[in-house]
Amino acid sequence: KAGVTQTPRYLIKTRGQQVTLSCSPISGHRSVSWYQQTPGQGLQFLFEYFSETQRNKGNFPGRFSGRQFSNSRSEMNVSTLELGDSALYLCASSLVAAGGEKLFFGSGTQLSVL
Amino acid sequence: AQTVTQSQPEMSVQEAETVTLSCTYDTSESDYYLFWYKQPPSRQMILVIRQEAYKQQNATENRFSVNFQKAAKSFSLKISDSQLGDAAMYFCAYRSRKDKLVFGAGTILRVKS
Repeated sequence: KAGVTQTPRYLIKTRGQQVTLSCSPISGHRSVSWYQQTPGQGLQFLFEYFSETQRNKGNFPGRFSGRQFSNSRSEMNVSTLELGDSALYLCASSLVAAGGEKLFFGSGTQLSVL
Repeated sequence: AQTVTQSQPEMSVQEAETVTLSCTYDTSESDYYLFWYKQPPSRQMILVIRQEAYKQQNATENRFSVNFQKAAKSFSLKISDSQLGDAAMYFCAYRSRKDKLVFGAGTILRVKS
């Protein structure tokens, strides 16, 4: 079974641009969550989707948005990029969106904003 | 708000020895889950072990075990017979039944041969 696939692996953007990151979950998984990892702030929850509905959202500005498609693939979008958005963005999938569910993570997208 | 604290930024252990990583958390919930995730240099987070708060018995997974002290809100990870492949960043995490996953700052574990 293929794991969680995140594309692209690396991305370089400039301030003010927008970016879209993609996440393909493990086949059969219906829940996808996103996390931002930075040296200063650590790992922070962005949002969680289950069956195309956003179930939880972290404390990020409205420039960060996401969506989930009917095939459970998910995208996150960051508009008007700032230098502080440089981070590793991790996606995780699980069968359902429940507290104790085991999450399977992708290898992340490393975003650099210049 | 729930918080997770890992007080050890970095730990070292000799190969084949035992090491314990500390984690404390703060919550007013009674029903929740605790996790230890490992992040090797490949960056892919891997679940090491999971504990349901309602279970008094400590979880174990092969060489990995936890010491869950609910009243003290403590959740430490013990790695026995440490191997070179155990070297990684370890994150303690908390999640209540319907809330988001909250991570600690992480502990870098170095394994010496």
